[in-house]
Amino acid sequence: EVQLVESGGGLVQPGRSLRLSCAASGLTFDDYAMHWVRQVPGKGLEWVSGISWNSGSIGYAASVKGRFTISRDNGKNSLYLQMNSLRAEDTALYYCAKARGVGGSGTYAHFDYWGQGTLVTVSS
Amino acid sequence: EIVLTQSPGTLSLSPGERATLSCRASQSVSSIYLAWYLQKPGQAPRLLIYGASSRATGIPDRFSGSGSGTDFTLTISRLEPEDFAVYYCQQYGSSPITFGQGTRLEIK
Repeated sequence: EVQLVESGGGLVQPGRSLRLSCAASGLTFDDYAMHWVRQVPGKGLEWVSGISWNSGSIGYAASVKGRFTISRDNGKNSLYLQMNSLRAEDTALYYCAKARGVGGSGTYAHFDYWGQGTLVTVSS
Repeated sequence: EIVLTQSPGTLSLSPGERATLSCRASQSVSSIYLAWYLQKPGQAPRLLIYGASSRATGIPDRFSGSGSGTDFTLTISRLEPEDFAVYYCQQYGSSPITFGQGTRLEIK
């Protein structure tokens, strides 16, 4: 059974940094592209960033480009999101999501497995 | 970026009825790259349909997707109690990936 478990969320002041992690199990992690999708509680879904299986293809939403960095460690079956210069509008539940289908890019994907999310709150 | 507009915002129906949800794109989307998700309160989204009309693993055949170009439809043939939730469409053929704002399907 595929499991994705996010961690690293919390309360952080504007301008500070936070690093999210996603631990994957039950799959051959380095076969798949992985993505981050966020959701303000009670609102819709917003794609944040994605990374291909070999880190050769990476994409970011315009709202986070230059501030967030996605990475992965296939040896540890883990996905990361380094979030710098955080803003109040980054407050959301951050989901780790697996791209359906082997291979895949960091910019084009649909998602067949999701974690339960980790909440990031940016507030002074 | 491609903007997806879902309608209606809220749909009130009874179990056993047929539901038709719409997703309209601001630009043409290749039908290969349109997906639908269901999200229940407190849960992560669940993939229902990809490629506009292919059901994901384990999704019952009362769910069907159709459409092309800028107009896509999710149909639930006979509503079960567990189908009442929020539904999102997503396009993944053009960067950035975008989602519709959602349709809430509620029990009448």
